[in-house]
Amino acid sequence: GAVVSQHPSRVICKSGTSVKIECRSLDFQATTMFWYRQFPKKSLMLMATSNEGSKATYEQGVEKDKFLINHASLTLSTLTVTSAHPEDSSFYICSARDWEDDNSPLHFGNGTRLTVT
Amino acid sequence: AQKVTQAQTEISVVEKEDVTLDCVYETRDTTYYLFWYKQPPSGELVFLIRRNSFDEQNEISGRYSWNFQKSTSSFNFTITASQVVDSAVYFCALSEGANAGKSTFGDGTTLTVKP
Repeated sequence: GAVVSQHPSRVICKSGTSVKIECRSLDFQATTMFWYRQFPKKSLMLMATSNEGSKATYEQGVEKDKFLINHASLTLSTLTVTSAHPEDSSFYICSARDWEDDNSPLHFGNGTRLTVT
Repeated sequence: AQKVTQAQTEISVVEKEDVTLDCVYETRDTTYYLFWYKQPPSGELVFLIRRNSFDEQNEISGRYSWNFQKSTSSFNFTITASQVVDSAVYFCALSEGANAGKSTFGDGTTLTVKP
């Protein structure tokens, strides 16, 4: 079964509104989670690294004020797309690994398909 | 800078055929990890394999096998006796050190297995 839960799986919102996406590790704790964005028929692009108890680390070109990341606990990270625009429409995927197991592979959530109208 | 190239954008085979998905990578790191993931139409990424740069042994898992060759910077993935359920997008990825989250992904290969 899934070990990383992402919610919602699909969301449609209007331009100018904000949308929050949750990423939860179910069977393990994760001090670090990762947020990716995937355009249709394209590869995954790392947006940011979410760090529990501290600020997220954003990749070059990713607007931190637009994509707010909060890692409130060892099992939950949230990505908020603020003032959404149609160009923010995409597939967002989070991932996490068990911080107590160095050999643990990266587990991905099922993704969130965001459509901004 | 790291780079992963999956030259095959789309592959179509008939069930029971063998198929190899190519992956070529570039990195200046001496320690790195290579991954393959499967993304079915439902969207989630399924982890298939991880290989570190010091382990060049080929691996077989059921109908899946992987050929890692540092000399050619390649990490190819072969599915033997393909099945319709193998239809998906397959991604090869490269990460620096153990921090697998900061991975560079290839553009993916869409595999279609026809009955």
